[in-house]
Amino acid sequence: AQSVTQLGSHVSVSEGALVLLRCNYSSSVPPYLFWYVQYPNQGLQLLLKYTTGATLVKGINGFEAEFKKSETSFHLTKPSAHMSDAAEYFCAVRAASGGSYIPTFGRGTSLIVHP
Amino acid sequence: DSGVTQTPKHLITATGQRVTLRCSPRSGDLSVYWYQQSLDQGLQFLIQYYNGEERAKGNILERFSAQQFPDLHSELNLSSLELGDSALYFCASSVQTGTSDEQFFGPGTRLTVL
Repeated sequence: AQSVTQLGSHVSVSEGALVLLRCNYSSSVPPYLFWYVQYPNQGLQLLLKYTTGATLVKGINGFEAEFKKSETSFHLTKPSAHMSDAAEYFCAVRAASGGSYIPTFGRGTSLIVHP
Repeated sequence: DSGVTQTPKHLITATGQRVTLRCSPRSGDLSVYWYQQSLDQGLQFLIQYYNGEERAKGNILERFSAQQFPDLHSELNLSSLELGDSALYFCASSVQTGTSDEQFFGPGTRLTVL
């Protein structure tokens, strides 16, 4: 079984400030972890993913996330927020092997960027 | 543009009716996934097809059914519609069905049941 918890349904930051979106997961098998972004009236787009290897993963648009097994976390960060980053962000987990390969998504975090 | 297309973009219908949502995967993708996104349930996996065959089933109601055709497009059929079926329905596709395969999402169909 696997699950994802995204802390905070809304996160508000000022333009230029650090973005931190939190994701904790639960998985009975080694996980693959994903962050997706959804802009208004659009589908989900993959930002970045962790499968194996380096635990710090860099994605598109300046985002990165670090897989911390001991904390079962995969938080998403960006050093400096831009107005165009305002969107809904989803963390997802799926089994690396031996379990369901269908991803389980978190409830999403809405990122609000103030000028 | 992910390369996944969904029609129609919006659908408004009445309770008790039946609708069909259509999805065309990216060229070369064999696997199609259907998701339902609602405010109270979040993004829920419904069903997956791979090369024409059902591969995995999630939280799909018995009133709902899907199929994937030889040309790999897929249709999601929703019948005896209820108010609670109002949601965004997404289709996603991937090359195969492995755990590392990236899913590419379509823009969604917004269903409103009145």
